[in-house]
Amino acid sequence: GESVGLHLPTLSVQEGDNSIINCAYSNSASDYFIWYKQESGKGPQFIIDIRSNMDKRQGQRVTVLLNKTVKHLSLQIAATQPGDSAVYFCADRAGSNYKLTFGKGTLLTVNP
Amino acid sequence: GAGVSQSPSNKVTEKGKDVELRCDPISGHTALYWYRQSLGQGLEFLIYFQGNSAPDKSGLPSDRFSAERTGGSVSTLTIQRTQQEDSAVYLCASSLEFSGNTIYFGEGSWLTVV
Repeated sequence: GESVGLHLPTLSVQEGDNSIINCAYSNSASDYFIWYKQESGKGPQFIIDIRSNMDKRQGQRVTVLLNKTVKHLSLQIAATQPGDSAVYFCADRAGSNYKLTFGKGTLLTVNP
Repeated sequence: GAGVSQSPSNKVTEKGKDVELRCDPISGHTALYWYRQSLGQGLEFLIYFQGNSAPDKSGLPSDRFSAERTGGSVSTLTIQRTQQEDSAVYLCASSLEFSGNTIYFGEGSWLTVV
């Protein structure tokens, strides 16, 4: 079936370390992937997206890697800061299907 | 405004009452989505509007839920005869159009049914 899941529900890191949040997807037709950050009491905030014709995309302190062979997506956050503490969701979309399918999220906690 | 605006931000209602949740998308965005997020869960698709096309209502959980979008802009999600299981955050999102454009979310309407 179509699903997007996360390998780890929680991740705790020290301030300044790099964080890696992983995501697996099952729909081989998925061609667009997106990461959102959701802080407590707020709506999801767009972080970065990637299309299936790419395997890497970089933003400010964040990098998304896509491995279509194993249907795996990861979000790397460099020099993690306390303000990065939040729940991170990956989501995917396939072709003309406009619905984003979300995983349950990974809670990232950054320890000072 | 610059982002997706939702109101009310918080709503407490008694079981059996009707509620209306409003979404004002980003100006110029033709695609509008409603999602629901229960405590500690991911986002569940409810309904999608794109321009003048018929909306995709396939995610609405029951006939107590309905939504409309007037003039291609503001949308209202209505829940009739609310139940306790309707308690959740109702998130609205918009994008320029569905194909490959980033979807931006509002801050959500936090609904509690008591």
